[in-house]
Amino acid sequence: QKEVEQDPGPLSVPEGAIVSLNCTYSNSAFQYFMWYRQYSRKGPELLMYTYSSGNKEDGRFTAQVDKSSKYISLFIRDSQPSDSATYLCAMNPGGYNKLIFGAGTRLAVHP
Amino acid sequence: IAGITQAPTSQILAAGRRMTLRCTQDMRHNAMYWYRQDLGLGLRLIHYSNTAGTTGKGEVPDGYSVSRANTDDFPLTLASAVPSQTSVYFCASGLVGGDTQYFGPGTRLTVL
Repeated sequence: QKEVEQDPGPLSVPEGAIVSLNCTYSNSAFQYFMWYRQYSRKGPELLMYTYSSGNKEDGRFTAQVDKSSKYISLFIRDSQPSDSATYLCAMNPGGYNKLIFGAGTRLAVHP
Repeated sequence: IAGITQAPTSQILAAGRRMTLRCTQDMRHNAMYWYRQDLGLGLRLIHYSNTAGTTGKGEVPDGYSVSRANTDDFPLTLASAVPSQTSVYFCASGLVGGDTQYFGPGTRLTVL
């Protein structure tokens, strides 16, 4: 079993929809949780960062962490075609910030 | 513009050849990383360095070597390339003790 599980999709939604992306993990030592966005043929870019449990909002994006369920989510409101990308969750078990990545979910937002 | 640069952008290589992928950052981050990204497997750590002069092995280090002579540069070498090393390679940097990493644009490598 992988330490971090993420549904690869693809996920296709109409413009304006609310998108929910999720990851589950098995290591209870994870404290830091990140979402990266990766456009086709580009490097991943940091989108959201959350420490421990709770919610964090940044514009149309909300990151949610439920450590009791070992489950994290990224919500995108009013999705736009420019949100079409692969979204990778990543977690830090602490120490020398070795990130553990999910496989990524490919999202397509169509006009 | 601050960030990470990688070279080459893409490369086709014959099996058995030696290849060095270059990575340079100008953010003065002490930690640097090399990942490979394969479909369905996500990003897997190859090697890392927490400071100049030190390196460590990641999840998939076999067939790869790195060096860290200074803060800015972190080259990745394939001594004798094999087809299973066909992948997209990303260099990243961050602060030791920090929680995030910043990625370069990647090198797309094909080994025939």
